Amino acid sequence: EAQVTQNPRYLITVTGKKLTVTCSQNMNHEYMSWYRQDPGLGLRQIYYSMNVEVTDKGDVPEGYKVSRKEKRNFPLILESPSPNQTSLYFCAVRRDSMPDYEQYFGPGTRLTVT
Amino acid sequence: AQTVTQSQPEMSVQEAETVTLSCTYDTSESDYYLFWYKQPPSRQMILVIRQEAYKQQNATENRFSVNFQKAAKSFSLKISDSQLGDAAMYFCAYRSGNTGNQFYFGTGTSLTVIP
Repeated sequence: EAQVTQNPRYLITVTGKKLTVTCSQNMNHEYMSWYRQDPGLGLRQIYYSMNVEVTDKGDVPEGYKVSRKEKRNFPLILESPSPNQTSLYFCAVRRDSMPDYEQYFGPGTRLTVT
Repeated sequence: AQTVTQSQPEMSVQEAETVTLSCTYDTSESDYYLFWYKQPPSRQMILVIRQEAYKQQNATENRFSVNFQKAAKSFSLKISDSQLGDAAMYFCAYRSGNTGNQFYFGTGTSLTVIP
């Protein structure tokens, strides 16, 4: 079964305390990305990765870091979280060869920064 | 960056009736894909239907169909015989066929199904 897992699912933290949200896939797909979802704004892409050691910025990368050391994992790092990063975060995975339109989403991580 | 506009923040429909959700997009590209995603209260993102821009025929998936007007840059979703389980947030999304890397999402339409 195709699966994208995210951990943690819920997180409440304080301003400035570094945190990592993990994303893992079992599909051996090349392309992984992170989105944030905010009311009235839809989903906006933070970072994406075409393959191991290849990452690039999306539309809202400020305040975030990513790494892709293994094909199956794509963690999202907030070095110094701020309240404006309170959001719902999704990891998404798709293949990088045709047919490549199916994008599999993780279950989401609800982050609150106080 | 491409923009995707959903002008209806909220919609409602009677059970068993038909509803149409609107989406427009802005692009100068000729090769692209369009999608409708459903997000129920569980927050899971579920692909409902997709449309390749090079295809003139409108995509259909059971009770879900689209009206793709390429010249008008319009991509509406029609839900027929609405069911209580269709209640969700619906997002329209665009993806370039050239770069293929970024998805652009609209702001969503919240659909309520009235029993």
